[in-house]
Amino acid sequence: DQQVKQNSPSLSVQEGRISILNCDYTNSMFDYFLWYKKYPAEGPTFLISISSIKDKNEDGRFTVFLNKSAKHLSLHIVPSQPGDSAVYFCAASGLDDKIIFGKGTRLHILP
Amino acid sequence: DTGVSQDPRHKITKRGQNVTFRCDPISEHNRLYWYRQTLGQGPEFLTYFQNEAQLEKSRLLSDRFSAERPKGSFSTLEIQRTEQGDSAMYLCASSSKRTGPTYEQYFGPGTRLTVT
Repeated sequence: DQQVKQNSPSLSVQEGRISILNCDYTNSMFDYFLWYKKYPAEGPTFLISISSIKDKNEDGRFTVFLNKSAKHLSLHIVPSQPGDSAVYFCAASGLDDKIIFGKGTRLHILP
Repeated sequence: DTGVSQDPRHKITKRGQNVTFRCDPISEHNRLYWYRQTLGQGPEFLTYFQNEAQLEKSRLLSDRFSAERPKGSFSTLEIQRTEQGDSAMYLCASSSKRTGPTYEQYFGPGTRLTVT
């Protein structure tokens, strides 16, 4: 049973526009939510996180929104740049500090 | 220290053989994690260590898998009697509460295992 779900395997966005990646979760015990970015032949890289007590966290071009009632989070990238083309993993962590990853969304930034 | 390193980067082995992978974490990190990633999936947790103590093992980690971190620094993951289903990317990550939340894990480049 997938506790963290990314329903869009891929997404294409024009350079300069906003990229929105979505994620749903099922476990109410998660208290941190994370986004990791992965380039080919590299390990995932931590991008941004949000605590369950917040609904928004911003870091430069990256903003994560959390809707606890809907068990939904999203990552906004604006403006999108060519270097943002990668696989993005949504992930969640609970009291045990284990990270549960979604299947990932491949983002293509089009010139 | 440039980050988490893993060796080898690629391993091709025949079914039934044993393989061992090594992970060197970031030096000040006391937590070390092993994950497995198959095609089209996100990384799946296998096990983790705090210093030399192995604190948790996933049910994904069958009896053929064993992990060690003898001195609380590098770790090894051994797979005995490999099966074709073991073909995957094996990722290592490390973290430390002293430098940040433990969920901010730093990943190595992974070891890609192919069992023929």
